[in-house]
Amino acid sequence: DQQVKQNSPSLSVQEGRISILNCDYTNSMFDYFLWYKKYPAEGPTFLISISSIKDKNEDGRFTVFLNKSAKHLSLHIVPSQPGDSAVYFCAGGTYKYIFGTGTRLKVLA
Amino acid sequence: DSGVTQTPKHLITATGQRVTLRCSPRSGDLSVYWYQQSLDQGLQFLIQYYNGEERAKGNILERFSAQQFPDLHSELNLSSLELGDSALYFCASSSGQGGTDTQYFGPGTRLTVL
Repeated sequence: DQQVKQNSPSLSVQEGRISILNCDYTNSMFDYFLWYKKYPAEGPTFLISISSIKDKNEDGRFTVFLNKSAKHLSLHIVPSQPGDSAVYFCAGGTYKYIFGTGTRLKVLA
Repeated sequence: DSGVTQTPKHLITATGQRVTLRCSPRSGDLSVYWYQQSLDQGLQFLIQYYNGEERAKGNILERFSAQQFPDLHSELNLSSLELGDSALYFCASSSGQGGTDTQYFGPGTRLTVL
């Protein structure tokens, strides 16, 4: 039972444009959501989070949007940079987190 | 560098064997989490320890066990290994008991079972 789904395994975006990574979840009890970024041969690193009581959280070039009625969250990266090329995982949970399978973002120079 | 260390980096072993993966959390962090990432899979939460006590359990097989020692380092023991146990095993740590804590991940241990 995949409670957190990232349906796009990969995404390619031109440098300077917007990258939008999507994530769907099924458990309405999740009260916190996270995005992690992972480079090859490294562990995931925390990127940005959002509480279920909010619908938007912004940190520099990164913005996470939460649509609770649709059980959907998205990560926007503007402008995209080649260094953003990585695998992005979303996760939802309460005291423990369920991670999605990741989306590989490639930013083309 | 997250401050979380994991050893070994790579491990190659045979089916039926037993291995131990080790994790040292960031200085001051009391929680340690273990995750498994198989090919094309997301990070599967296995287990969490907080200050030496088991705090939360995920999809951890009975053949797997973990513990957290008084110095807060943790070990994940995998026994009667099967081919399907080949995966990346990540350890993460956080300062609190979990929930909304930011988790800091180690570089992972790649286990290959032949």
